[in-house]
Amino acid sequence: QSVLTQPPSASGAPGQRVTISCSGSSSNIGNNYVYWYQQLPGTAPKLLIYRNNQRPSGVPDRFSGSKSGTSASLAISGLRSEDEADYYCAAWDDSLSGWVFGGGTKLTVL
Amino acid sequence: EVQLVESGGGLVQPGRSLRLSCAASGFTFEDYAMHWVRQAPGKGLEWVSGISWNSGSIGYVDSVKGRFTISRDNAKNSLYLQMNSLRAEDTALYYCAKDSLADYHDSSGYPEYWGQGTLVTVSS
Repeated sequence: QSVLTQPPSASGAPGQRVTISCSGSSSNIGNNYVYWYQQLPGTAPKLLIYRNNQRPSGVPDRFSGSKSGTSASLAISGLRSEDEADYYCAAWDDSLSGWVFGGGTKLTVL
Repeated sequence: EVQLVESGGGLVQPGRSLRLSCAASGFTFEDYAMHWVRQAPGKGLEWVSGISWNSGSIGYVDSVKGRFTISRDNAKNSLYLQMNSLRAEDTALYYCAKDSLADYHDSSGYPEYWGQGTLVTVSS
């Protein structure tokens, strides 16, 4: 049971927009930044969004992040086949004094 | 280019020990905090441990406290994870990750770059 809650799966057709939610509590998302990682099949996680809504250089602006209260969302617009991956949200947890992750969302491009 | 290369994984019996290493290059290792994050087969990510730039602050997930020890050698640009009293539930791919800041518990920082991982299998 992960501290942050994500839907196990999401899907969309090429070109569509999908959103992935991440729910936490006041000790993590509510009081700290949210991060999103993309894990392509058989590879290491890659930072996608940092500090709620910032994109590292090289990440397309099709990816965007937002946060409200104790929840956060990742939006992917103009869906492409290469976006098929597992997506994880993460945040620092003040009560646990450690990093916590969501259980991951497997994105399928139909 | 940041490079993180983990090693030391393998098959080990329950109750035995294993030491993982992570060789870092492409950045000034001594300036950044580091983490170990694991992923059990077919499962999600779990933060295991973090260490600040000068080893002054160290943290662990509850499930490994008292069994695992994180350390670093800034002169050798290396991160380590000593794993004792291993259990079947420790079976996972262990990733080394570089933080964006010097202190692992600074909530403004985050695991920024990840290695490819080393597989630890605990089984009799």
